[in-house]
Amino acid sequence: GAVVSQHPSWVICKSGTSVKIECRSLDFQATTMFWYRQFPKQSLMLMATSNEGSKATYEQGVEKDKFLINHASLTLSTLTVTSAHPEDSSFYICSALAGHEQFFGPGTRLTVL
Amino acid sequence: EDQVTQSPEALRLQEGESSSLNCSYTVSGLRGLFWYRQDPGKGPEFLFTLYSAGEEKEKERLKATLTKKESFLHITAPKPEDSATYLCAVRGSGSARQLTFGSGTQLTVLP
Repeated sequence: GAVVSQHPSWVICKSGTSVKIECRSLDFQATTMFWYRQFPKQSLMLMATSNEGSKATYEQGVEKDKFLINHASLTLSTLTVTSAHPEDSSFYICSALAGHEQFFGPGTRLTVL
Repeated sequence: EDQVTQSPEALRLQEGESSSLNCSYTVSGLRGLFWYRQDPGKGPEFLFTLYSAGEEKEKERLKATLTKKESFLHITAPKPEDSATYLCAVRGSGSARQLTFGSGTQLTVLP
């Protein structure tokens, strides 16, 4: 199957700082990528859909000014959590569309102190 | 609105004890039903895609089946390494390629 990587795998930051998470499709090109958030023992919650070369589409209730998404190339999408607060602590997972199938990255654990 | 319900929420099996996980769905124009496996602290791992009722797919001890209202993930003679959360998701014709996920079934296989 297709491989998606994420970096970093975990990050700890102070409240008020910004954090950037990278998502790469390693062996295929992805015009569409997705960003999810997952709380403990819960399923994945879609945050936004990222399309290469255009603005991301955010789900209802997700602040686009807080969660900045950039999909500048066919293999890279980034999620920047701006002015992070403890309530932003979560497991963030990206995925990329390869044909009809969707492959996920390994996730990034964000802890905001 | 697409909806996915998985049952049971949790399942404990003895090694070698076969069972099935259920995924019931309602969707406007099914464009695919997907099964994933997720280990703690990791992203979901793709298992199967099913597109039409009657379709079946197999991989090692896992077999996925699909009807017009539900999908089953059959686990034959499971091993402890099959312990994980299994997620079901659907894509409908009106979903702009997004997946709607169920809440998952947490499977524990005891040695």
